Amino acid sequence: ETGVTQSPTHLIKTRGQQVTLRCSSQSGHNTVSWYQQALGQGPQFIFQYYREEENGRGNFPPRFSGLQFPNYSSELNVNALELDDSALYLCASSLLLAGGGTDTQYFGPGTRLTVL
Amino acid sequence: AQSVTQPDIHITVSEGASLELRCNYSYGATPYLFWYVQSPGQGLQLLLKYFSGDTLVQGIKGFEAEFKRSQSSFNLRKPSVHWSDAAEYFCAVGARGTYKYIFGTGTRLKVLA
Repeated sequence: ETGVTQSPTHLIKTRGQQVTLRCSSQSGHNTVSWYQQALGQGPQFIFQYYREEENGRGNFPPRFSGLQFPNYSSELNVNALELDDSALYLCASSLLLAGGGTDTQYFGPGTRLTVL
Repeated sequence: AQSVTQPDIHITVSEGASLELRCNYSYGATPYLFWYVQSPGQGLQLLLKYFSGDTLVQGIKGFEAEFKRSQSSFNLRKPSVHWSDAAEYFCAVGARGTYKYIFGTGTRLKVLA
């Protein structure tokens, strides 16, 4: 069984730039969620994708967007980077349950984004 | 409002001592509860989860947690801590029919040799 993988491991960008982070789901999972973890904080939910569509969103502006591909891999895109976007970005994969909601979320190692 | 509180930001214990990490939640629906561990610079590893049934759940690495509905708590315990347990521990809550987890701010565990 292959776990959740993310790339790149680290990334440095400057304010105003755009960034794309990538995630490969665990084998057999059909749902991917993205979280932002600022230094010293717990992860904050950004959004979730199921069947290539956004299935739920947290309190993040539209410049945070995502994609899910037919093989259940996913991208997180952030436009117009701000200094406060510096964080660890975590991807989690899971199975969508019958009746809605997701089963246990399994996390990848994260991408550390630094915005200068 | 939905929230998770981990009252202890830092905890220091000696190796071999017992450990209890506290977690309190506020959630309207019947909660699903989780404990994750994060080593420095790493992602989150699932320690254990509670969905329903027996309120005492066993996890990996010798950890257990007890769900107490009346106290809205889900405290994590380990009878004898090992130096390798030093990490940050996060409690999270979700629910059937929802898609996101709400995390606490974490408890950083330091283990003294």
